[in-house]
Amino acid sequence: ETGVTQTPRHLVMGMTNKKSLKCEQHLGHNAMYWYKQSAKKPLELMFVYSLEERVENNSVPSRFSPECPNSSHLFLHLHTLQPEDSALYLCASSQQYGELFFGEGSRLTVL
Amino acid sequence: GEDVEQSLFLSVREGDSSVINCTYTDSSSTYLYWYKQEPGAGLQLLTYIFSNMDMKQDQRLTVLLNKKDKHLSLRIADTQTGDSAIYFCAPRKDSSYKLIFGSGTRLLVRP
Repeated sequence: ETGVTQTPRHLVMGMTNKKSLKCEQHLGHNAMYWYKQSAKKPLELMFVYSLEERVENNSVPSRFSPECPNSSHLFLHLHTLQPEDSALYLCASSQQYGELFFGEGSRLTVL
Repeated sequence: GEDVEQSLFLSVREGDSSVINCTYTDSSSTYLYWYKQEPGAGLQLLTYIFSNMDMKQDQRLTVLLNKKDKHLSLRIADTQTGDSAIYFCAPRKDSSYKLIFGSGTRLLVRP
């Protein structure tokens, strides 16, 4: 148990579906992150929220839409995805610029 | 730009020492992390070193930093089969949320 919980662990969706990934942290941290992990590629930072404000947005397509309603919860809303978006999506949290604690990831498959 | 390089694969015999190497390009990196990822799981923080240190030991783990050459290594003493995983090096600048991950080194421990 890392203190960061991601749901669902596995998701299969069609290209026209809309779904959301959820992340919850129980560590009292004030920053939360979304990373994408694709096969044979380095982890890609997608978004960072600090104190519920987005502080990093790394040229991510608009079909990915993050939401951070409070410092414990982070969502990634997905719509009109492409097969190349299939990947492991990792959520992490930290206390400001401290070390990151990761969840187990949500494995997304886009058909 | 920022870049992190790691060799892709390392195979060792159980009981031997493993050394995983990492080179990075950003000389202003202040914190250098090592993460471990087991199959189907998220990333687990193993240890980290500050850039003003050249060595840190934590039980079976020894981190060496050569700041001049921008080279980081992780030595695992008495490697066990449970150490089989992918290991990621990730430098970070001070006051930055952004960790730059390498592609990871897959460690295979043979019985």
